[in-house]
Amino acid sequence: AQKITQTQPGMFVQEKEAVTLDCTYDTSDQSYGLFWYKQPSSGEMIFLIYQGSYDEQNATEGRYSLNFQKARKSANLVISASQLGDSAMYFCAMREANAGGTSYGKLTFGQGTILTVHP
Amino acid sequence: GAGVSQTPSNKVTEKGKYVELRCDPISGHTALYWYRQSLGQGPEFLIYFQGTGAADDSGLPNDRFFAVRPEGSVSTLKIQRTERGDSAVYLCASRLGLAGFGDTQYFGPGTRLTVL
Repeated sequence: AQKITQTQPGMFVQEKEAVTLDCTYDTSDQSYGLFWYKQPSSGEMIFLIYQGSYDEQNATEGRYSLNFQKARKSANLVISASQLGDSAMYFCAMREANAGGTSYGKLTFGQGTILTVHP
Repeated sequence: GAGVSQTPSNKVTEKGKYVELRCDPISGHTALYWYRQSLGQGPEFLIYFQGTGAADDSGLPNDRFFAVRPEGSVSTLKIQRTERGDSAVYLCASRLGLAGFGDTQYFGPGTRLTVL
């Protein structure tokens, strides 16, 4: 089973509207972290937002917020007031603990969602 | 400050040749990662360094792949006897090395490797 599932290969949104990018994850750990990265056509992975499994509040960073539903194992990214520059590939990723309970920090990524913002 | 840098940005080689890809992490970051990203896919983990030692190399696909970080800063990913299937973008990332899941990884621009 895939650890990170992004079911939307592509999404379209009108400029200035909000859009939700879906992410579900699979882990038996109690402690883990969830990340979203943006990858423009230039190729660089840009960190957007982080949510810890024990965080009670949904994470927010400017126009980005994470809709974290732990029981459903989902961590959807919400982008408000979309801008043309938001057009990019978006990846959801998870960091889990090792067998000993520590974490080396390696990230497991989903397959990504291509977001296109229309003017 | 300066981000993660990677050189070269592009590398074209012939099947069977040896290549080296370099990563210069953010100053002060003790943890360093290599990932490989094939076209249309998410990055896949290759190897993790904490300081000079490879703490986790479970993602290296076979013994043609090797990485070093001799002084705990710059890292080099080495691929011997390259194959066409090695063609991908190789991404390097670094983080401070703090405990806790929120210690964020910052990525470099990647090296696009093409094996002819």
